[in-house]
Amino acid sequence: DSGVTQTPKHLITATGQRVTLRCSPRSGDLSVYWYQQSLDQGLQFLIQYYNGEERAKGNILERFSAQQFPDLHSELNLSSLELGDSALYFCASSVGGMPNEQYFGPGTRLTVT
Amino acid sequence: EDKVVQSPLSLVVHEGDTVTLNCSYEVTNFRSLLWYKQEKKAPTFLFMLTSSGIEKKSGRLSSILDKKELFSILNITATQTGDSAIYLCAVHHGGSQGNLIFGKGTKLSVKP
Repeated sequence: DSGVTQTPKHLITATGQRVTLRCSPRSGDLSVYWYQQSLDQGLQFLIQYYNGEERAKGNILERFSAQQFPDLHSELNLSSLELGDSALYFCASSVGGMPNEQYFGPGTRLTVT
Repeated sequence: EDKVVQSPLSLVVHEGDTVTLNCSYEVTNFRSLLWYKQEKKAPTFLFMLTSSGIEKKSGRLSSILDKKELFSILNITATQTGDSAIYLCAVHHGGSQGNLIFGKGTKLSVKP
């Protein structure tokens, strides 16, 4: 157990819908990272927040957004969902602002039908 | 374009064998290279490498970085069935799409 929690574990929704994924980092970690893992693309970095502020942005679609709250938990919002958004979404956390040693949560499996 | 390439994509060995996994990279403003092991679900951290030629070791696993030739290797000696997993290489860089770029991974299967 890495200490990073993610909810829900599984999510099944229809195209065009909007969902919110939630992540709680390890105690003491200030950074939260979001990743998307699909069979064809592998693990793709989406976005990083550090102590409430956006720190780095990767291949995140405009339909996706994230935020980190004062208690350091984070949410990833996915809207206008498409079939291609079906994937495993991981959250990871680290102590500082650099992704040197990240601890990954168990992931949320999103299925868009 | 920044990229991380791992080889081989998959590998099948028998218990007791030694394996070498490869990771090459081309990125803007390299900062570090990381190895992760992914079994059923979440990746778990193995090593972080920042300097060339300095071996990192943990039990039967070891890794080294060559910043001149832009690659790293992960060695696993005396493999066990519990080593079966996908091994991911990631590079932390300071390019325009900053943060980590992951390779596609090497799927290692260790047969008894």
